Amino acid sequence: GAGVSQTPSNKVTEKGKYVELRCDPISGHTALYWYRQSLGQGPEFLIYFQGTGAADDSGLPNDRFFAVRPEGSVSTLKIQRTERGDSAVYLCASSLRDRDNEQFFGPGTRLTVL
Amino acid sequence: GQQVMQIPQYQHVQEGEDFTTYCNSSTTLSNIQWYKQRPGGHPVFLIQLVKSGEVKKQKRLTFQFGEAKKNSSLHITATQTTDVGTYFCAGPEWGTYKYIFGTGTRLKVLA
Repeated sequence: GAGVSQTPSNKVTEKGKYVELRCDPISGHTALYWYRQSLGQGPEFLIYFQGTGAADDSGLPNDRFFAVRPEGSVSTLKIQRTERGDSAVYLCASSLRDRDNEQFFGPGTRLTVL
Repeated sequence: GQQVMQIPQYQHVQEGEDFTTYCNSSTTLSNIQWYKQRPGGHPVFLIQLVKSGEVKKQKRLTFQFGEAKKNSSLHITATQTTDVGTYFCAGPEWGTYKYIFGTGTRLKVLA
């Protein structure tokens, strides 16, 4: 594809529900990042994948958050028992190789937890 | 943990005036990246600096990486309305893949 895509673009859910957010990186990009961004703030690192493996998941806030990338391309961020504080824009970015390459961001998924 | 601060938080300028944003990290960075985010949009990569004291130019934009690799600046000459947006610096915690984004500087350009 031409760029990083994310689905859905908007997700409204109720407190306590489970959600999945999907990221399709640029073809051939081995590195993939998840961030979340609250209004007026910079992106906050969640997790980094190199290929299929999570090379750094130190940004995941707690064990309700989990992410996978089983085939080294598409990634899914999973949030269990959502809380109102999880409301934010979740951004995915991919880069060609490792951490020292420019990151191409997707349009984000706006998650609202009621 | 590592913190990355940017000043100013907001800047309003008249079109044609210059603009500078400063980025300061609490720890040494292996590299620093700059991104621009338009209102309602996503961050778009501008540039990456790696070497101590490095200076790079892109048309009206000049980027600098400090000698100690703990600070950086972005200078825009003769701002245009298309420069409107929030500018973020970002750098990885040393030895990790964890990119820390700065607090951002929101630029408004008055025509």
